[in-house]
Amino acid sequence: DAKTTQPNSMESNEEEPVHLPCNHSTISGTDYIHWYRQLPSQGPEYVIHGLTSNVNNRMASLAIAEDRKSSTLILHRATLRDAAVYYCILRDSGTYKYIFGTGTRLKVLA
Amino acid sequence: ETGVTQTPRHLVMGMTNKKSLKCEQHLGHNAMYWYKQSAKKPLELMFVYSLEERVENNSVPSRFSPECPNSSHLFLHLHTLQPEDSALYLCASSPSRGEETQYFGPGTRLLVL
Repeated sequence: DAKTTQPNSMESNEEEPVHLPCNHSTISGTDYIHWYRQLPSQGPEYVIHGLTSNVNNRMASLAIAEDRKSSTLILHRATLRDAAVYYCILRDSGTYKYIFGTGTRLKVLA
Repeated sequence: ETGVTQTPRHLVMGMTNKKSLKCEQHLGHNAMYWYKQSAKKPLELMFVYSLEERVENNSVPSRFSPECPNSSHLFLHLHTLQPEDSALYLCASSPSRGEETQYFGPGTRLLVL
């Protein structure tokens, strides 16, 4: 199973953009890149996903490197409610399984 | 509110007890999942059900027994657990097994004494 590597923690100031990196050097050609986040005392929540092209939605943007070995989740203006653990996940194209890593704990400073 | 509910939210049990965790989804999905989240460890997929049929069992000990009576309900029956089984147990659902997005419930925090 392909694995992801993320920094354990990051800090951001409120109202500023946040770039959360993820390395997935062993990604296969058909693995989708998913991002979920987990707020305190809640289950994981879907944020965004993509395959090759950059993606935007109301929550965030996903920038995928041309070789697909890394990606970056971009929160355009961090708020205190964005403080959570962010998981970069590869979805196995054959088994449809999510392979979770340990995630990045994002702290947002007021 | 994700449309996936779990009860109870917290559970304390002894090693000789039998208990059950319940998950219900109100989204009309056909696939349901059980995950285990232990402290300092990644989420681990335990079981996958698709159209009420178990399609994956990831080497989970037999003291965990899942049941899916219909596409809206999923249970995890627990018996003779060990203290190392203490964790957050998360239920999720998706429209089908191959669908991109999974919707998670809030989890049941289990403590085994």
